[in-house]
Amino acid sequence: NAGVTQTPKFRVLKTGQSMTLLCAQDMNHEYMYWYRQDPGMGLRLIHYSVGEGTTAKGEVPDGYNVSRLKKQNFLLGLESAAPSQTSVYFCASSLYRTGELFFGEGSRLTVL
Amino acid sequence: TQLLEQSPQFLSIQEGENLTVYCNSSSVFSSLQWYRQEPGEGPVLLVTVVTGGEVKKLKRLTFQFGDARKDSSLHITAAQTGDTGLYLCAGPDFSSGSARQLTFGSGTQLTVLP
Repeated sequence: NAGVTQTPKFRVLKTGQSMTLLCAQDMNHEYMYWYRQDPGMGLRLIHYSVGEGTTAKGEVPDGYNVSRLKKQNFLLGLESAAPSQTSVYFCASSLYRTGELFFGEGSRLTVL
Repeated sequence: TQLLEQSPQFLSIQEGENLTVYCNSSSVFSSLQWYRQEPGEGPVLLVTVVTGGEVKKLKRLTFQFGDARKDSSLHITAAQTGDTGLYLCAGPDFSSGSARQLTFGSGTQLTVLP
């Protein structure tokens, strides 16, 4: 019953450092998403994927890169972290386009 | 991007009271979803409404989709402390020419006091 699993759950970075967030889903979903959540701003889409080997930009893609080499995994990378990227990051997956989203528990990132 | 506005942003009530929260847009949506998010967790889907004028009930929660499919409301009867959470509405974004992503409102943070 794992569903969507995100690692790590917490991370503190210094400005300029890089890191990768890993998302894994065991529901055989085609669609996967990375959102960021900031106070008062709801969930904003960073990047998404409609299948293995595909990625696309969402609403706020700058400063992030993604890869979907395997269907079950969706990686979010920060090449040079900035304080503005301090946020809670959520990965989600869905079976159908615009269908129910299944979310992970979130990864809290702080950039100093 | 089609904008979804939620109101109120914050709501604090006593257990047993009734409440309504709103999700409004100037654009027509083919469907709207409502999620609830508890602290430290990801959002969980409560309901999807797809037909203008549709009313769906989930125990003490009543969801309504406006006739014009531009707005939706969530009414909670006799609120309980377990209803505390962030309520988010979301709908498919057609503005990019492809309904490949959901756009979310900023949410209503509900606190039910014992």
